[in-house]
Amino acid sequence: DAGVTQSPTHLIKTRGQHVTLRCSPISGHKSVSWYQQVLGQGPQFIFQYYEKEERGRGNFPDRFSARQFPNYSSELNVNALLLGDSALYLCASSLSGGENTGELFFGEGSRLTVL
Amino acid sequence: LAKTTQPISMDSYEGQEVNITCSHNNIATNDYITWYQQFPSQGPRFIIQGYKTKVTNEVASLFIPADRKSSTLSLPRVSLSDTAVYYCLVGTSYYGGSQGNLIFGKGTKLSVKP
Repeated sequence: DAGVTQSPTHLIKTRGQHVTLRCSPISGHKSVSWYQQVLGQGPQFIFQYYEKEERGRGNFPDRFSARQFPNYSSELNVNALLLGDSALYLCASSLSGGENTGELFFGEGSRLTVL
Repeated sequence: LAKTTQPISMDSYEGQEVNITCSHNNIATNDYITWYQQFPSQGPRFIIQGYKTKVTNEVASLFIPADRKSSTLSLPRVSLSDTAVYYCLVGTSYYGGSQGNLIFGKGTKLSVKP
């Protein structure tokens, strides 16, 4: 069975540009969460979507946005990129999005480098 | 969500048992304790979760004292492939967070040497 898939795996952007990262959850999973992991730190929660609705948002500026599609895949968009946005962006999926979220399954991540 | 404190790094040798302790003094009654493992450039992977006493699965054991203010992840007979960062998380949902929001600390970097 396919796990959580993310694309692209690596990308390089310059300051001020925009980036779109994509995530396909495990089949049957309806919840997708996004995390940012800067080198040497633990992952930081950005967004969670469940049934195409935003269920949670972390402490990130409005330059970060996301959405979930009818097939439960998701996109993370970051506008006006800054050097500090360079990080590994992780997508995680789970069966449900409520209080008892269930185990989160993470993808391999998208490595973004901003020059 | 309760804050967790764990050692920044630990060293071990192949075949040894490794115990990583996590402090969570402000754990709430409904909180569960969950451990994730992460290899470089990969997403975290669920290891084990518990509420109290002891939990064991095929890869690890989790010991939780009666006051639940700390927990210990035990990895039996580690190998080189167990070299990774291990995160302790405490949260109200069954798997360590609420609505997919997991709060990760810096984790413990375990280095297993031959």
